[in-house]
Amino acid sequence: AQTVTQSQPEMSVQEAETVTLSCTYDTSESNYYLFWYKQPPSRQMILVIRQEAYKQQNATENRFSVNFQKAAKSFSLKISDSQLGDTAMYFCAFMTNNNNDMRFGAGTRLTVKP
Amino acid sequence: NAGVMQNPRHLVRRRGQEARLRCSPMKGHSHVYWYRQLPEEGLKFMVYLQKENIIDESGMPKERFSAEFPKEGPSILRIQQVVRGDSAAYFCASSVHRQETQYFGPGTRLLVL
Repeated sequence: AQTVTQSQPEMSVQEAETVTLSCTYDTSESNYYLFWYKQPPSRQMILVIRQEAYKQQNATENRFSVNFQKAAKSFSLKISDSQLGDTAMYFCAFMTNNNNDMRFGAGTRLTVKP
Repeated sequence: NAGVMQNPRHLVRRRGQEARLRCSPMKGHSHVYWYRQLPEEGLKFMVYLQKENIIDESGMPKERFSAEFPKEGPSILRIQQVVRGDSAAYFCASSVHRQETQYFGPGTRLLVL
């Protein structure tokens, strides 16, 4: 079975500090793609970052970076210099070359406090 | 370049009525995916379509639900004889190719009274 687990239902961080959101996944496939999506109160799904499993280098996107540990099947998201606008639900997701659907975790609700 | 468009944004139906949800993919995208999100849960895959073809409907309930993506016009997710359990947010996503990043629309919130 292909599953995504986000073990932190809720997290909070002070503005300007750094926070890391955890994600683990399970698949027997060797070629796959990993994603973090953000869902703010507007409930729009916004792509934060994408990582191809065959790439060893961790993806970065401005204040967002990932720690991709393929052997451990771990894909955590680090948010640096947290801003109030980062307050949202964050979903980890992955899809494989052999599947048509993207599998999502249950989400982590992040609150950035002033 | 407009993003993925979905309408209506909010839809209220009484039990037994039909719900029609529309999705226009991003320009140049021919792959469309529908997902359902129940309150406080992640998104669950329903169906994947390319122009005029259903590629994978493994996540869609066998009864009352159908989807299409005609040659011209938006993709339609149709729910017949809605029940309260159908109340959810329905998201559409599109991509250039099957393995490319999926970009999501704003979703349609369906409430069944």
